[in-house]
Amino acid sequence: GESVGLHLPTLSVQEGDNSIINCAYSNSASDYFIWYKQESGKGPQFIIDIRSNMDKRQGQRVTVLLNKTVKHLSLQIAATQPGDSAVYFCAERYQGGKLIFGQGTELSVKP
Amino acid sequence: SAVISQKPSRDICQRGTSLTIQCQVDSQVTMMFWYRQQPGQSLTLIATANQGSEATYESGFVIDKFPISRPNLTFSTLTVSNMSPEDSSIYLCSVVHGGQETQYFGPGTRLLVL
Repeated sequence: GESVGLHLPTLSVQEGDNSIINCAYSNSASDYFIWYKQESGKGPQFIIDIRSNMDKRQGQRVTVLLNKTVKHLSLQIAATQPGDSAVYFCAERYQGGKLIFGQGTELSVKP
Repeated sequence: SAVISQKPSRDICQRGTSLTIQCQVDSQVTMMFWYRQQPGQSLTLIATANQGSEATYESGFVIDKFPISRPNLTFSTLTVSNMSPEDSSIYLCSVVHGGQETQYFGPGTRLLVL
């Protein structure tokens, strides 16, 4: 079936730098996308979402960009902090609520 | 967002036995889902738990192996039946509130089958 995939399985950044995590999706009918953060031993935590009728959405220190032409989603984290270290998953919604998750990118922040 | 709890938080089980995982939400929700996350991997949807009716299972998951109950709008259970070591995973419930789009997750149940 169709799937969501990530370009980079691991990402290491210096504290204070900006981080960019990328995601490719293949289901053109998906209407909603979510980024989750999962810390070790915890469930996924909602970070930010975006509907398919938008191309950019900003939160606190995070921005999600959606490019439907190339079916690409990215998460930008400004001024990355050690507390941002986690695995990040993108997910697309299809068929009335079901989510397909990407493979995940592990973000490591060096002090 | 809803407060979601799961019991147990972790367990170690013998093969051939069954384990029932509970998911409790502090408010009524329209949709509840069960996911599996195998070690080092992403999340895979097992089924949608429908209130008052049988769950809707995804390809590769069957009711005999993963029976699900949802007796009301705040509670659901997932049973992992006749367990084998391959069932060792994190099992997560998630919910969607009426009128919202975001899916929120519980803390997960970490299962190890020996």
